[in-house]
Amino acid sequence: ETGVTQTPRHLVMGMTNKKSLKCEQHLGHNAMYWYKQSAKKPLELMFVYNFKEQTENNSVPSRFSPECPNSSHLFLHLHTLQPEDSALYLCASSQDEGSGGSEQFFGPGTRLTVL
Amino acid sequence: GQNIDQPTEMTATEGAIVQINCTYQTSGFNGLFWYQQHAGEAPTFLSYNVLDGLEEKGRFSSFLSRSKGYSYLLLKELQMKDSASYLCAVRDSNYQLIWGAGTKLIIKP
Repeated sequence: ETGVTQTPRHLVMGMTNKKSLKCEQHLGHNAMYWYKQSAKKPLELMFVYNFKEQTENNSVPSRFSPECPNSSHLFLHLHTLQPEDSALYLCASSQDEGSGGSEQFFGPGTRLTVL
Repeated sequence: GQNIDQPTEMTATEGAIVQINCTYQTSGFNGLFWYQQHAGEAPTFLSYNVLDGLEEKGRFSSFLSRSKGYSYLLLKELQMKDSASYLCAVRDSNYQLIWGAGTKLIIKP
């Protein structure tokens, strides 16, 4: 595997379910990110981990819970979601959070539908 | 507040040139990025500008004017595969990326 991978690619869940999204990067990067992408809206940064430490939580509801066990893996745990949480969830990584010209590499995303 | 503006949609003809504009108002500036995103796929990095001027990379060029809070992405010799959304993002003083909503580019034969 190369780059950034995400599983599952598609997920349909009920409002009472608990599920987890997984992201893995094979680039040796130190920063990882979760974004939410809704149609015709800007990418919304949800969480940032730099060297396994959470450095950003952009007022994300507690029904979304991130976990970063090591610098290569990032999880997003989901529980009691709402239909408006349906979106594409993108994971990204970069060399580290503070490098000026360091671009982010994105995974293919998980298309989440909440019924 | 912080804001990135880009046109929602543009249409161009195969073989032609198109310019996608991006204006920004952010708290600080530490670089501007352009990404390409095909439908159903991940965004991929195209270019990075931190100093004023034009950066050329093959058929794609990106321009920055920091004093005007303005950038554009120029695509030459358009191909059908260039049909995609183009995302403008600015890194602010906290090194956070602020994203525009993207410009959907439609290429017609």
